[in-house]
Amino acid sequence: EAAVTQSPRNKVTVTGGNVTLSCRQTNSHNYMYWYRQDTGHGLRLIHYSYGAGNLQIGDVPDGYKATRTTQEDFFLLLELASPSQTSLYFCASSDRQGINTLYFGAGTRLSVL
Amino acid sequence: SQLAEENLWALSVHEGESVTVNCSYKTSITALQWYRQKSGEGPAQLILIRSNEREKRNGRLRATLDTSSQSSSLSITATRCEDTAVYFCATDTGYQNFYFGKGTSLTVIP
Repeated sequence: EAAVTQSPRNKVTVTGGNVTLSCRQTNSHNYMYWYRQDTGHGLRLIHYSYGAGNLQIGDVPDGYKATRTTQEDFFLLLELASPSQTSLYFCASSDRQGINTLYFGAGTRLSVL
Repeated sequence: SQLAEENLWALSVHEGESVTVNCSYKTSITALQWYRQKSGEGPAQLILIRSNEREKRNGRLRATLDTSSQSSSLSITATRCEDTAVYFCATDTGYQNFYFGKGTSLTVIP
């Protein structure tokens, strides 16, 4: 079964702070995704990648950068965190283009004070 | 706009009863997926039903898909306490962006 590990599980920062969320998948999946989950909005795609060095923009990319350093590792960067970015963040992976299953990590809860 | 949406925010049933969650969507799809999210966990896929399929089963779970009305349902029979979770439908357009509904919170009462 696919394994997607996120760190940290919880993070508190201040407005204007710099935050990096990490995600590692160990199943050689090509695609990796970052979602945010908010009450009243469900899961929304921030960025995704189909391989090392590749980055695609999702539906809510403003204020976020992402970088895929290897096939296994995908990072989400908030360089000037704002309270509106307080959310539950999920990383996911899938193995190919087209119809496929998303495998999610356990999530990172971020609070921006 | 919400491209996928479950019809209820929350519902509860007693253990052993059956329950159905409905979903409507507003985009062309290659498949419709149902996910379950338990408290403190990430979503996990339950069923994937392709656009050329009308019904799919997985144990106590049954999903239907009606592409003409752009709707889907997920039924759970003989519910158990461990079925307590949030259930999402997600549209798979084949282009790596899955549109998730806001979810239906199901509580199974012992």
